[in-house]
Amino acid sequence: NAGVTQTPKFRVLKTGQSMTLLCAQDMNHEYMYWYRQDPGMGLRLIHYSVGEGTTAKGEVPDGYNVSRLKKQNFLLGLESAAPSQTSVYFCASSPHGGRSPLHFGNGTRLTVT
Amino acid sequence: KQEVTQIPAALSVPEGENLVLNCSFTDSAIYNLQWFRQDPGKGLTSLLLIQSSQREQTSGRLNASLDKSSGRSTLYIAASQPGDSATYLCAAPNRDDKIIFGKGTRLHILP
Repeated sequence: NAGVTQTPKFRVLKTGQSMTLLCAQDMNHEYMYWYRQDPGMGLRLIHYSVGEGTTAKGEVPDGYNVSRLKKQNFLLGLESAAPSQTSVYFCASSPHGGRSPLHFGNGTRLTVT
Repeated sequence: KQEVTQIPAALSVPEGENLVLNCSFTDSAIYNLQWFRQDPGKGLTSLLLIQSSQREQTSGRLNASLDKSSGRSTLYIAASQPGDSATYLCAAPNRDDKIIFGKGTRLHILP
């Protein structure tokens, strides 16, 4: 039982490049979340999903897209990376959304030059 | 719109002291209040979840309280140890299933 797994762990991109971050959970959780963490800013919610095939915007969705084609996977895409998207990205899942504890992955450190 | 504030931003205390971390939220229509711990370079680990109908929740040396009417929660750590050094974050899940975090309190326990 791996819990929440994020791929890759580290990535360096040039401005304008695109990439996809993968979050996979093996706990059969309905809800999944993407956050970014910047120094002094805490965790900010980018997008979230309340079930397979659904997505919704969080606090800071601009510049990101997401997809939840399979229940166990939640993908975060950057179509045209900008230096402002340099951050640590965390994925989390929960069986019942805010009604139950969040389980976090170990994060992806992304640098955009 | 839910806003979550944590005070203080950083705290240093000598080993063995009891301490209190504070969390406040603006929208009281929450399912619960969650406290997490984050070690440097790591993900977040759930510490305590206190339901909106509860006043307190305890786990070992940790005790969390919740006062929905005033929009406040506290995390009490008894007999602090150097291993308690970490960043502590609180989160307030709203009924729209957005889970909003505070910026955290960096705790340093001095040996």
